Parts: sequence; C-alpha cells; structure tokens
Amino acid sequence: EIQLQESGPGLVKPSQSLSLTCSVTGYTITSGYDWSWIRKFPGNKMEWMGYISYSGSTNYNPSLKSRISITRDTSKNQFFLQLNSVTTEDTATYYCARSIHTMGITDYWGQGVMVTVSS
Amino acid sequence: DTVLTQSPALAVSPGERVTISCRASESVSTLMHWYQQKPGQQPTLLIYLASNLESGVPARFSGSGSGTDFTLTIDPVEADDTATYYCQQSWNDPRTFGGGTKLELK
Repeated sequence: EIQLQESGPGLVKPSQSLSLTCSVTGYTITSGYDWSWIRKFPGNKMEWMGYISYSGSTNYNPSLKSRISITRDTSKNQFFLQLNSVTTEDTATYYCARSIHTMGITDYWGQGVMVTVSS
Repeated sequence: DTVLTQSPALAVSPGERVTISCRASESVSTLMHWYQQKPGQQPTLLIYLASNLESGVPARFSGSGSGTDFTLTIDPVEADDTATYYCQQSWNDPRTFGGGTKLELK
C-alpha cells in the first residue's frame, strides 16, 4: 500500500524558511508520477504549490516561484519542500501527494502537517 | 489563473439526490477532478477526468461536464457523505482548486 507521510516543524518564524519532508513507502518515487506539495489555508482555500517528477524535473506555481524549491533524496525515497521568506500568510496545512504525470490527478495524499508562521 | 467557483455550502436529507457544481473561468476540457475531505482527514479522490469513478468509490458518486461547467452528483446521499468537496483542474497551469462545497446532512 502506498503511503506518504509529512514531517517538519509546526512553527516557523516570519522571514525564515519552511522545510518539510515527505517520506514515501510502497512505491519508488523514480518509477513514475509527479510528487506534489499542496496546501490548505485556514478557511479552506487550497493551493497547488508544485511538484518534482519521477525524472527529477520540477514545476512550480508561478505565485511561489521565487520562494519555493522542491528536491528529493532517491536513496531515502523522500522528497522535500523549502519555502523561503515566509509570512503569516503561509500558515496552512501542508500535504504531500502523488499525481499522475501530465493529467494532474492526485490519487494519494499524506495526512498533512499544520505549519504556523508566527513570532 | 483559472478560477473555479463552487457554492459554499449545501444541506440535504439522507436519501436525497444532491448536485454540486463547479464553474471554470475558462475551458479546462475534461481535466477536472473531484475530491472529498472529511474533517481532520486528507482529501481523497472521487472522480477524475470529469466523469471517471475512482476505484473503491461508491457508485452513488458520479461526475459530468466539460469545458467550463462540471457537476458532482451523489444519489442517494448517506450520512457518511458529510464532508467538503473540492473540484480541481489540471488543463491550465497552474493547477487550481475550487473553494470547496461543504455538504451537511439535515
């Protein structure tokens, strides 16, 4: 069974960087699919942030392009989110997920991790 | 960005038929997908490519539409269907989500 699990700090100070890890079990991230980060803000708005593909290419939401980086460690079957210069508006629940390449269908999601940006 | 507009909330009685709409600000062909999110849980895929039922999802759920207008139908609604339902398009970059429709059971 495919499982994704997010981990990382639940509290980040404004202007610092947010760093999260997604650990994948049951599927090798280099075998196929896009490996995505999606966030849900308080009030229910959801935003697709970007993905790293099975081949290692990346695609980011232009609204975040100057601040976001998605990387991976294939030896650990993990991928990572780094979001720089965070503000309180980045407070959200962050999900890692698997999406079907080119069709953007997200078929597996992690449980999500709540990140609060506050001093 | 492609804006997806959903009604914020609906209230129905068990056994009834409910339709949840999603209107796109520009054509998304049939690259529209629907997700269910129950409180405290992650979203789960219900319908992909507008009308295809994800494996394991009850046949009470169905989807239709193309272009700019899409519908998720639940018939009949059960108490366990209490959740927020999101549409999401992947035809235009960046991928975008609707604001969600909260379904409550009377």
